[in-house]
Amino acid sequence: EPEVTQTPSHQVTQMGQEVILRCVPISNHLYFYWYRQILGQKVEFLVSFYNNEISEKSEIFDDQFSVERPDGSNFTLKIRSTKLEDSAMYFCASSERTGGGGYGYTFGSGTRLTVV
Amino acid sequence: AQRVTQPEKLLSVFKGAPVELKCNYSYSGSPELFWYVQYSRQRLQLLLRHISRESIKGFTADLNKGETSFHLKKPFAQEEDSAMYYCALRSGSSASKIIFGSGTRLSIRP
Repeated sequence: EPEVTQTPSHQVTQMGQEVILRCVPISNHLYFYWYRQILGQKVEFLVSFYNNEISEKSEIFDDQFSVERPDGSNFTLKIRSTKLEDSAMYFCASSERTGGGGYGYTFGSGTRLTVV
Repeated sequence: AQRVTQPEKLLSVFKGAPVELKCNYSYSGSPELFWYVQYSRQRLQLLLRHISRESIKGFTADLNKGETSFHLKKPFAQEEDSAMYYCALRSGSSASKIIFGSGTRLSIRP
């Protein structure tokens, strides 16, 4: 069964440093997402991406965050200057279609980001 | 505003007992509802979609628009059902974003 792949599985970074989290979505999927889950809290939407542009973003996704699909296969999330409160599990997801047909997402296994 | 509420953080039942994980939602239109499951140290996996009316691993969920609920049920719990369960909502056609409830940890006692 096709999988969404995320790398690295765990990243430790110093406060103020830039991090890039990488994701390889399922090849025929068109919609891509990033979510995060702070320890003990709910899974929160960050951003959705379609046709090489952001289609929706949450208030969490401020100017410190950016996404891109540089080569048609990878989908990256960049945090420019990390803060302690960015420590969380970050999940990438992709879907074949959007709403209307009950299509869910396929999630990656996540990257645990620890900011020290 | 869209919201998904899972009132129970933890639900503990004995093996063989019935299970019901509660989910209520807030949305004025016609939503799409999902249940996702996360087993220990594994990724989030889609368990059920309301639109398909299927039974997966013995679990079912019925969308009740009158009560704005989408409770997850299983008549006889098994130990391998122990996991974190998330109810999720998408606001309907052409929408992309899915929002999640806070999750319920289901623990099955032998």
